[in-house]
Amino acid sequence: KAGVTQTPRYLIKTRGQQVTLSCSPISGHRSVSWYQQTPGQGLQFLFEYFSETQRNKGNFPGRFSGRQFSNSRSEMNVSTLELGDSALYLCASSVTGDLTDTQYFGPGTRLTVL
Amino acid sequence: AQSVAQPEDQVNVAEGNPLTVKCTYSVSGNPYLFWYVQYPNRGLQFLLKYITGDNLVKGSYGFEAEFNKSQTSFHLKKPSALVSDSALYFCAVRDKAGGGADGLTFGKGTHLIIQP
Repeated sequence: KAGVTQTPRYLIKTRGQQVTLSCSPISGHRSVSWYQQTPGQGLQFLFEYFSETQRNKGNFPGRFSGRQFSNSRSEMNVSTLELGDSALYLCASSVTGDLTDTQYFGPGTRLTVL
Repeated sequence: AQSVAQPEDQVNVAEGNPLTVKCTYSVSGNPYLFWYVQYPNRGLQFLLKYITGDNLVKGSYGFEAEFNKSQTSFHLKKPSALVSDSALYFCAVRDKAGGGADGLTFGKGTHLIIQP
């Protein structure tokens, strides 16, 4: 089975721009979660989608948004980019998103904001 | 609220020796605990998890972890370290009482360095 794929792998943007990141989950997985990884804050939960609905959301400003499509693929969008948004953005998929369900991570998208 | 602490930023072990990477957690209800490993410029790879039952959990690549409820710990162990085990290790928790609202909460990570 193919793993979680994320595109693009690297992005360079300037302050004020917006960006869209894409995630394709493992086949058969219906839950997709997004995480931000930075050296200072570590790994932080952004949001989780299941069956095209946002089920949970972390403590991030409204500039961070996402969606999930009927084929379980997910996108996240960051508007009005700030320097502090530079990070590795990780997507994880699981079968149901239940608390005990294992989340499998993609390789991440490295976003650099200049 | 759920939280995880990994008290050591770095652990150094000689190849062939046993290794332990420490993790303690805090939850309101019952914990669901996970270990992941991250290699440079890569995503996280799942190693093992504790949900319920036997306190000793066996996982991938010869790793195991012991759940200790009284000490609120979930230390990762391996009997004999390999140089290829050198990586960044993350402990993570979900609180049954939280209903998943916070996703996975991760520790800050521990750099494991295995010296030949």
